[in-house]
Amino acid sequence: DGGITQSPKYLFRKEGQNVTLSCEQNLNHDAMYWYRQDPGQGLRLIYYSQIVNDFQKGDIAEGYSVSREKKESFPLTVTSAQKNPTAFYLCASSPGTGANTEAFFGQGTRLTVV
Amino acid sequence: EDKVVQSPLSLVVHEGDTVTLNCSYEVTNFRSLLWYKQEKKAPTFLFMLTSSGIEKKSGRLSSILDKKELFSILNITATQTGDSAVYLCALPPNYGGSQGNLIFGKGTKLSVKP
Repeated sequence: DGGITQSPKYLFRKEGQNVTLSCEQNLNHDAMYWYRQDPGQGLRLIYYSQIVNDFQKGDIAEGYSVSREKKESFPLTVTSAQKNPTAFYLCASSPGTGANTEAFFGQGTRLTVV
Repeated sequence: EDKVVQSPLSLVVHEGDTVTLNCSYEVTNFRSLLWYKQEKKAPTFLFMLTSSGIEKKSGRLSSILDKKELFSILNITATQTGDSAVYLCALPPNYGGSQGNLIFGKGTKLSVKP
């Protein structure tokens, strides 16, 4: 089945550690995105990539890093520089720039810092 | 600054009631407005609106856009407990990119009581 797969679903991290969240899609979409969702807040854009080997900062990129070495994969690393990393992280993809279609979301990863 | 404001932030109704959710926006370069339903994890797409005054309908859900007054409404008639979810409104921002890097409102949490 086509879709977006995020892993793991739940992740616990000790303070000071880096962790990497996985996002894979088999929809052949050019564009991929990472959002963060906090309680009572809407989704906020962390990073996005419109094409392989290229990515752009979103509204809250500090403390995060990404890579886009393959079209189907867009991993997000939460670094120790992120002061408040506990949140729900959603990955999404869409066909590409200018495409008038919606974004498709993965099931999310809930990250908790302990 | 582009922004999306949803109201109310939460709403409790009984089965069979009709509800109207509101989304107002400010964006320099309007392209589209999207509605998503988020039950537990991944937001699922409901509607994309690009033209004023044209109602989009899917079963008991419908939505319409007013580009002059800069708002959209999402109506749900004959609500059911399965409609309980957070409803998110989103728009692509002015800085361009594909339709996936969206600005989200905080959402309206709808609870439908039996």
